[in-house]
Amino acid sequence: AQKVTQAQTEISVVEKEDVTLDCVYETRDTTYYLFWYKQPPSGELVFLIRRNSFDEQNEISGRYSWNFQKSTSSFNFTITASQVVDSAVYFCALNRGGADGLTFGKGTHLIIQP
Amino acid sequence: ETGVTQTPRHLVMGMTNKKSLKCEQHLGHNAMYWYKQSAKKPLELMFVYNFKEQTENNSVPSRFSPECPNSSHLFLHLHTLQPEDSALYLCASSRGGLSSYNEQFFGPGTRLTVL
Repeated sequence: AQKVTQAQTEISVVEKEDVTLDCVYETRDTTYYLFWYKQPPSGELVFLIRRNSFDEQNEISGRYSWNFQKSTSSFNFTITASQVVDSAVYFCALNRGGADGLTFGKGTHLIIQP
Repeated sequence: ETGVTQTPRHLVMGMTNKKSLKCEQHLGHNAMYWYKQSAKKPLELMFVYNFKEQTENNSVPSRFSPECPNSSHLFLHLHTLQPEDSALYLCASSRGGLSSYNEQFFGPGTRLTVL
């Protein structure tokens, strides 16, 4: 069985601070995919990144960066110089690839205060 | 229209009603999904369709009945629901098959309230 744990239920920081959202996963599969999604108050889940189990390169996209470490089964997400628009619930998810359903963590509610 | 659309956006129904949720994707994808998001539980997968064939039913009660007439449309037929079925129902699509580009794109959801 697959499992995703996001231990941080809620994080509140002041604008311009850096913030890291933790994600730990469990799977018995050797091939798997990890994802991050953002859910703003409007409710729609917005895809941020996909990573497969064979690619441990960290990725940076603007103020966003992701740190994938198979040794600790973690896929953490860092926002640098946070902005109020980053306020949302962020979900980490996992699947086996192809048309496999996603297993989601419980989400981390990120609040960026002006 | 672009992306994934869902109608209606809000639905209030009684326990004896029959209603349907509709999802349409304009991304040329071949896989479609239903998820349920309630206050008490994390996002839960309900059903998966890959090239119009149902490939996963995540132990969903029979009062929820999915239908996928083609790769662009997905329905969720509802009947005799319970108040605990009140939730946000999200539809998603992805390329499908064995594609490694398997990120799922979500619609805005239908907020369902069962009285």
